[in-house]
Amino acid sequence: AQSVSQHNHHVILSEAASLELGCNYSYGGTVNLFWYVQYPGQHLQLLLKYFSGDPLVKGIKGFEAEFIKSKFSFNLRKPSVQWSDTAEYFCAVNALLHGNNRLAFGKGNQVVVIP
Amino acid sequence: GAGVSQSPSNKVTEKGKDVELRCDPISGHTALYWYRQSLGQGLEFLIYFQGNSAPDKSGLPSDRFSAERTGGSVSTLTIQRTQQEDSAVYLCASSLAGQTNYGYTFGSGTRLTVV
Repeated sequence: AQSVSQHNHHVILSEAASLELGCNYSYGGTVNLFWYVQYPGQHLQLLLKYFSGDPLVKGIKGFEAEFIKSKFSFNLRKPSVQWSDTAEYFCAVNALLHGNNRLAFGKGNQVVVIP
Repeated sequence: GAGVSQSPSNKVTEKGKDVELRCDPISGHTALYWYRQSLGQGLEFLIYFQGNSAPDKSGLPSDRFSAERTGGSVSTLTIQRTQQEDSAVYLCASSLAGQTNYGYTFGSGTRLTVV
């Protein structure tokens, strides 16, 4: 079945540590890829997106993600996290080949940064 | 409006009662989506409206769920004979028609608790 997979649902790390969240998808063809973030008590916000060009995309707040087509992956990274990065992170995929306009989401990564 | 507005923000209902959840999308956004967010389950697609086209209802979990969108703007999600497993946060999002590669704008959601 077509899906979006995020591993390590709960991540706990200290400030200044590096963060990498994995995202794999099973859709073929052209895809648009997104990472959304949900800070405690807030609504989902777009962190970054990829749909063409440079596979390394930069987002807000120092986040970046790399699209590796051969691995069907779009991992999110931040070299040095801050306490304010505590949030839930969702990877999402829009599979254009299948002609639909919906985003399929992964189950999310709950990230807790300890001061 | 400036963002996607959802009401109510919280709803507690008794098992077996019907509930209506409202979504007011961003002005000019012709695409509207409903998702359900359950703890540890990520975002589950429910239904998608695009302009005057027939909605994509493929994500609705049972015939107790229905949604309509009047005048191409405001949408109402109705859950009949609510069950405890319906407890979740119901999210609405909107986007410009045919431009989901820019991602969605989400509302703050309605937290539904069925007791």
